[in-house]
Amino acid sequence: QVQLVESGGGLVQPGGSLRLSCVVSGLSFRSYAFQWVRRAPGKGLQWIAAISSDGNYKTHSDSLKGRFTIARDNSENTLYLQMNSLTVEDTARYYCARDFYHETTANDVFDIWGQGTLVTVSS
Amino acid sequence: VITQSPATLSVSPGETATLSCRASQNVNNKLVWYQQRPGQAPRLLIHGASTRATGIPARFRGSGSGTEFTLTISGLQSEDSAVYYCQHYNNWRGTFGPGTTVHIK
Repeated sequence: QVQLVESGGGLVQPGGSLRLSCVVSGLSFRSYAFQWVRRAPGKGLQWIAAISSDGNYKTHSDSLKGRFTIARDNSENTLYLQMNSLTVEDTARYYCARDFYHETTANDVFDIWGQGTLVTVSS
Repeated sequence: VITQSPATLSVSPGETATLSCRASQNVNNKLVWYQQRPGQAPRLLIHGASTRATGIPARFRGSGSGTEFTLTISGLQSEDSAVYYCQHYNNWRGTFGPGTTVHIK
């Protein structure tokens, strides 16, 4: 069956870095764009970044101020999120999600999600 | 900017919940609804403002256009206790609303 499994979260000190991974199985990874979304404690969902199927096009939330970078390795069916200069405000559960384009409504939807990996930034 | 109201809604089983989502500019029909139950990943409910995703029961209904959208949940069940988010995604960028928390009494 289709699975998206995130890993790489954990406790990190302010100013530190982490690289999250999302291993995808059960679908043709190289055929789809993917996204990262997070949810901080007591807050709502926040869109973080998107990457095209071939990895050549990437966008990131302006609010991250260039600290995060999305990447993918189609030979390893893996999506990545490199996070630098972490602050306590980055404490959240981070989700990867498949981006599926519905031609009937011309909408991109995040239709398959992982269970997330928890990142805690604290001294 | 996407706003949602109310922030919290408490309804009895079997009743109808009406959730609103407002965009600061015309998003056409590029409006998606997600449900996030406690401890779970988000789940796609509605896309194109009114088209139910695969497997979503008919008691979830999306409507609206332009800047004003509504998610109506009829015949509420205990499993509908969740946070509901609307989202606009366009040109490779996404914006979620702050969410509406639905409590089942």
